[in-house]
Amino acid sequence: DQQVKQNSPSLSVQEGRISILNCDYTNSMFDYFLWYKKYPAEGPTFLISISSIKDKNEDGRFTVFLNKSAKHLSLHIVPSQPGDSAVYFCAASEDNYGQNFVFGPGTRLSVLP
Amino acid sequence: DTGVSQNPRHKITKRGQNVTFRCDPISEHNRLYWYRQTLGQGPEFLTYFQNEAQLEKSRLLSDRFSAERPKGSFSTLEIQRTEQGDSAMYLCAGEGGPNEQFFGPGTRLTVL
Repeated sequence: DQQVKQNSPSLSVQEGRISILNCDYTNSMFDYFLWYKKYPAEGPTFLISISSIKDKNEDGRFTVFLNKSAKHLSLHIVPSQPGDSAVYFCAASEDNYGQNFVFGPGTRLSVLP
Repeated sequence: DTGVSQNPRHKITKRGQNVTFRCDPISEHNRLYWYRQTLGQGPEFLTYFQNEAQLEKSRLLSDRFSAERPKGSFSTLEIQRTEQGDSAMYLCAGEGGPNEQFFGPGTRLTVL
């Protein structure tokens, strides 16, 4: 039973448009959420995080929105660039300790020029 | 480049053989994590070290798996009597603080 779900295995977006990657979770005790980006032949790299005391966190072109009541978070990338093409993993935890992070299966984003 | 290296990058072995992977985090990484990632899935936690002490093991880590981190620097993950189900990407990550996990490029294991 997956506690963190990313129901879209893939997403294609035109360069310059908005990319929206979604993540749903089942454990209401999750309080910390992270997004990682992974390029082929590389390990995941940390992108942005949010804790449950916030509903939005922004870093440049990347914004994460959290809806705790719906157990849903989303990552918005605007404007999307071809270099954003990668697999994006959502991860969640009850605390902020790495051993407790549960990762989703990932969404492959393709930004088309 | 996160500064975390893993060797080898690829390993092909026959079922029943033993394999060992190495992870070199940067010196500031007090915590070191091992994850396994199978096709179509996200990373799954295996075990972690705080300096040289192995503090937690996932139930995924069967008794055929052993990990060490002598002197709190590099770490090794050994799989004995490999099975085809062990085929996966093995990732290690160093952590200097909360939310600061830096993953290595991974070792892809294929068990024939």
